[in-house]
Amino acid sequence: SQTIHQWPATLVQPVGSPLSLECTVEGTSNPNLYWYRQAAGRGLQLLFYSVGIGQISSEVPQNLSASRPQDRQFILSSKKLLLSDSGFYLCGGKSSGNTIYFGEGSWLTVV
Amino acid sequence: GENVEQHPSTLSVQEGDSAVIKCTYSDSASNYFPWYKQELGKGPQLIIDIRSNVGEKKDQRIAVTLNKTAKHFSLHITETQPEDSAVYFCAASRNNQGGKLIFGQGTELSVKP
Repeated sequence: SQTIHQWPATLVQPVGSPLSLECTVEGTSNPNLYWYRQAAGRGLQLLFYSVGIGQISSEVPQNLSASRPQDRQFILSSKKLLLSDSGFYLCGGKSSGNTIYFGEGSWLTVV
Repeated sequence: GENVEQHPSTLSVQEGDSAVIKCTYSDSASNYFPWYKQELGKGPQLIIDIRSNVGEKKDQRIAVTLNKTAKHFSLHITETQPEDSAVYFCAASRNNQGGKLIFGQGTELSVKP
């Protein structure tokens, strides 16, 4: 079965600084990959998804971007963080079938 | 696009009682409906799922029902235990659009001993 790794697990960054969150997948190849954000409260908002290397679909206009340089690597970035970018970021992966498996998340606090 | 509504937002039950969480969806093309359990500070874990060609699915104390006509599905937990306390999310997806999941807003379940 596939395993999703995310790092860093926690991050405190000043406003205006850059961001890079990394996600890697083990145990499968050619997965669909997803970035979700969970802000204060509980809802999971889909930010980006990718069906292959270099293919990124953006779901909401925002201060963030995503890249997929390798088959099992998905990166979430920002050039200049805003306070509103604080939240819990989750990377998910899906191979054959419908099920999306999630990593343990990355806590981002922008100060 | 798809919109998933989940109710209630909080639910408190006594240990041993049953808990029911309900979701509705808007896109009639959605055909896959998973439920996730999320403990504090952790990623969501899949607990059960159902596809649109099935009306009900059960796994020990957990069951899910789907009414395609009404576009709603429900999670049923019987004989609740304190370790069932967590936030539960329903979600919906369709075959295209990368299989992305659209989530409900979550239900915080508290099981009191």
